[in-house]
Amino acid sequence: NAGVTQTPKFRVLKTGQSMTLLCAQDMNHEYMYWYRQDPGMGLRLIHYSVGEGTTAKGEVPDGYNVSRLKKQNFLLGLESAAPSQTSVYFCASSYSGHNEKLFFGSGTQLSVL
Amino acid sequence: GESVGLHLPTLSVQEGDNSIINCAYSNSASDYFIWYKQESGKGPQFIIDIRSNMDKRQGQRVTVLLNKTVKHLSLQIAATQPGDSAVYFCAEILLSGGYQKVTFGTGTKLQVIP
Repeated sequence: NAGVTQTPKFRVLKTGQSMTLLCAQDMNHEYMYWYRQDPGMGLRLIHYSVGEGTTAKGEVPDGYNVSRLKKQNFLLGLESAAPSQTSVYFCASSYSGHNEKLFFGSGTQLSVL
Repeated sequence: GESVGLHLPTLSVQEGDNSIINCAYSNSASDYFIWYKQESGKGPQFIIDIRSNMDKRQGQRVTVLLNKTVKHLSLQIAATQPGDSAVYFCAEILLSGGYQKVTFGTGTKLQVIP
């Protein structure tokens, strides 16, 4: 049981490049989330999904897109990376979205030059 | 203690002593609270939770206290060990439109002195 797995762990992009972060969970959780973590700030929600085939915007969705084609996978895309997107990205999942703890992946350190 | 928007405070504790980490939350309607531990280079990990209808909850070496009057949450770690060194942050959860809105604090760094 691996829990929540994120790939890649590190990535360096040039401004304007695109990339996709992959998140996979093996706990049969319905809800999945993408957060970013920046110094001096709490985790901020980018996008989330309440089930296969659904996505919704979180607190800071601009510049990101997501897809949930399979229940176990949640992809985060950056179409045209900007330096402001330099951050650590965490994927998380929960069985439901009602007073549930989140299970987090180990994070992706992204630098945009 | 921590609160949303503040720089990361640091708490240094001697090994074997008790640690108390504080958190001020913002929404009096929040009905669920969680403490997470984040070790360097890793994702946050659940420690303990408490519902708004409770004042105290105990786990293994950890206790969470909730004071709704002043919107304050604390995490107490008994007999602090080197493995407890990490960033700890609280999260307040509010059910809204059938979905939980989670607000995370900025965290407190706990340093355990051997």
